[in-house]
Amino acid sequence: EDKVVQSPLSLVVHEGDTVTLNCSYEVTNFRSLLWYKQEKKAPTFLFMLTSSGIEKKSGRLSSILDKKELFSILNITATQTGDSAVYLCAVGGLIFGKGTKLSVKP
Amino acid sequence: GAGVSQSPSNKVTEKGKDVELRCDPISGHTALYWYRQSLGQGLEFLIYFQGNSAPDKSGLPSDRFSAERTGGSVSTLTIQRTQQEDSAVYLCASSLNRMGNSPLHFGNGTRLTVT
Repeated sequence: EDKVVQSPLSLVVHEGDTVTLNCSYEVTNFRSLLWYKQEKKAPTFLFMLTSSGIEKKSGRLSSILDKKELFSILNITATQTGDSAVYLCAVGGLIFGKGTKLSVKP
Repeated sequence: GAGVSQSPSNKVTEKGKDVELRCDPISGHTALYWYRQSLGQGLEFLIYFQGNSAPDKSGLPSDRFSAERTGGSVSTLTIQRTQQEDSAVYLCASSLNRMGNSPLHFGNGTRLTVT
């Protein structure tokens, strides 16, 4: 059975901290791994990863995929209160993890 | 351009009634997805439409749930004889091309409450 597991499920940090969110997967037909940020309503797209070892960056966020070990990480440096959200990992379009709830305290 | 539009944003219905939820995807997007998100849970896949192909209905939880996509654009998710466990946020998403090849763009969802 295809599955995506995210860890930790929740995380509380202080502004300025660096966090690493994890996503591991087992799927039969891998095309891509995607990260989303969900605040109140619609998840918003962060990264799409298809190749191992190539880091994608957007400001303070970065992500990398390891297709051999079947996982991805999402890093957020110098966290801000606006980073507080649920971060979702998905493989292809069908299988989502339960998410990591990140709370950044001032 | 406009994003994915869903209506209504909120729906309260009595147990046993039928409901229809609407999704208007981004123009030109060939793929459309429906998900359900219960409180504090991740996204549960329901159904996927790709172009003119037969939809992937593997995520529909029971035969009370059905969906159609007319003219390759607007989609309607119908829940018949609603139950309290159907209460959730129903999210629609679209993508430029087939699943896994381009990111999903989500609507703001319909919050369904079954009393």
